[in-house]
Amino acid sequence: EPEVTQTPSHQVTQMGQEVILRCVPISNHLYFYWYRQILGQKVEFLVSFYNNEISEKSEIFDDQFSVERPDGSNFTLKIRSTKLEDSAMYFCASSVGLAGPYEQYFGPGTRLTVT
Amino acid sequence: GDSVTQMEGPVTLSEEAFLTINCTYTATGYPSLFWYVQYPGEGLQLLLKATKADDKGSNKGFEATYRKETTSFHLEKGSVQVSDSAVYFCALSESGGSYIPTFGRGTSLIVHP
Repeated sequence: EPEVTQTPSHQVTQMGQEVILRCVPISNHLYFYWYRQILGQKVEFLVSFYNNEISEKSEIFDDQFSVERPDGSNFTLKIRSTKLEDSAMYFCASSVGLAGPYEQYFGPGTRLTVT
Repeated sequence: GDSVTQMEGPVTLSEEAFLTINCTYTATGYPSLFWYVQYPGEGLQLLLKATKADDKGSNKGFEATYRKETTSFHLEKGSVQVSDSAVYFCALSESGGSYIPTFGRGTSLIVHP
């Protein structure tokens, strides 16, 4: 069964460093998403991406964040200058159509630790 | 804004016990309601959903009924197995606006043999 994959599973970085989290969505899906979950808190929406552009973003997704689909398979989340409060589990998801009516498929997550 | 509140975990049960994980929601419109499950090392998977009041979603022995009067969508299973040990997330998605799901914090379920 097709699945969403994410790499790395765990990333440790120092405050102020740039990180890139990688995701490979399911191949025929058209909508891509990033969520995060700070330990003990809710899963929060960051951004959705469709047709090579951001379709929706939350207040969390400020100028420090960016997303890209650099080729036909990868979908990346970049954090330019990490802060301690960026430490969280980051989930990538994809769906064949718009989320809600269409099911989102999630990756296993990348645990980001900022020291 | 929309929000989802789940009971705190972990919930620890013996095999074959009855499971209830409470979920209540706040929404401005008429949301669809979901339960997702995350097994260790895997991504969130849709477990069941209900799209309107009084609908019952069911899958793998789990059930949840959309109760508009109590704004609840509690997850139940009559007899849990060790393999049900996972984190369960309640979520809602509004129609007529952004469909992006709003999630709760997740409830960890641990089932002992």
